[in-house]
Amino acid sequence: DQQVKQNSPSLSVQEGRISILNCDYTNSMFDYFLWYKKYPAEGPTFLISISSIKDKNEDGRFTVFLNKSAKHLSLHIVPSQPGDSAVYFCAASATGSARQLTFGSGTQLTVLP
Amino acid sequence: NAGVTQTPKFQVLKTGQSMTLQCAQDMNHNSMYWYRQDPGMGLRLIYYSASEGTTDKGEVPNGYNVSRLNKREFSLRLESAAPSQTSVYFCASSFKTGGLTNEKLFFGSGTQLSVL
Repeated sequence: DQQVKQNSPSLSVQEGRISILNCDYTNSMFDYFLWYKKYPAEGPTFLISISSIKDKNEDGRFTVFLNKSAKHLSLHIVPSQPGDSAVYFCAASATGSARQLTFGSGTQLTVLP
Repeated sequence: NAGVTQTPKFQVLKTGQSMTLQCAQDMNHNSMYWYRQDPGMGLRLIYYSASEGTTDKGEVPNGYNVSRLNKREFSLRLESAAPSQTSVYFCASSFKTGGLTNEKLFFGSGTQLSVL
């Protein structure tokens, strides 16, 4: 049973528009959430994180929103750029420990010029 | 600025063959990890090492062994490869930020392994 789900395997967006990537989780004990970005033939790289004491965290063009009651996480990219085309993984932990991170299956974002 | 380095990048094995995947990090991190990534699934933890000389099983350890040779190096061994071990393998290391919690992972570029 997947505790972290990314239900959209792929998403296409026009350059300059907003990209919204979604993630749902089932474990109410999760209190630390991260997004990783992965380019082909490279390892995932950390993008942004949020603790459950917050409902929003921003870093430049990237904003993560957390809705604890809905057990839902989303990543907004504004404006989207072709270089944002990558696979995005969400991940969650109940302790903040990397040892106990649970990853979603990823969403392939394609930003069209 | 190497970060986490994995070798080899690609490998094809026949069923029953053995091999070792190598991983080294130059960031002085204490913790190191081996993950596998399969289509339609998230990264799953195979083994974990909190520090030199210690290792622990993750979610999917069967068919694998690991060695934490020193603080820098963490290897993954397949003693008798099976087609079910065809996957992309990632090594990672971590350090803690924000006080006592909230670790971030740093990944290597991965090894594409095919077992025929």
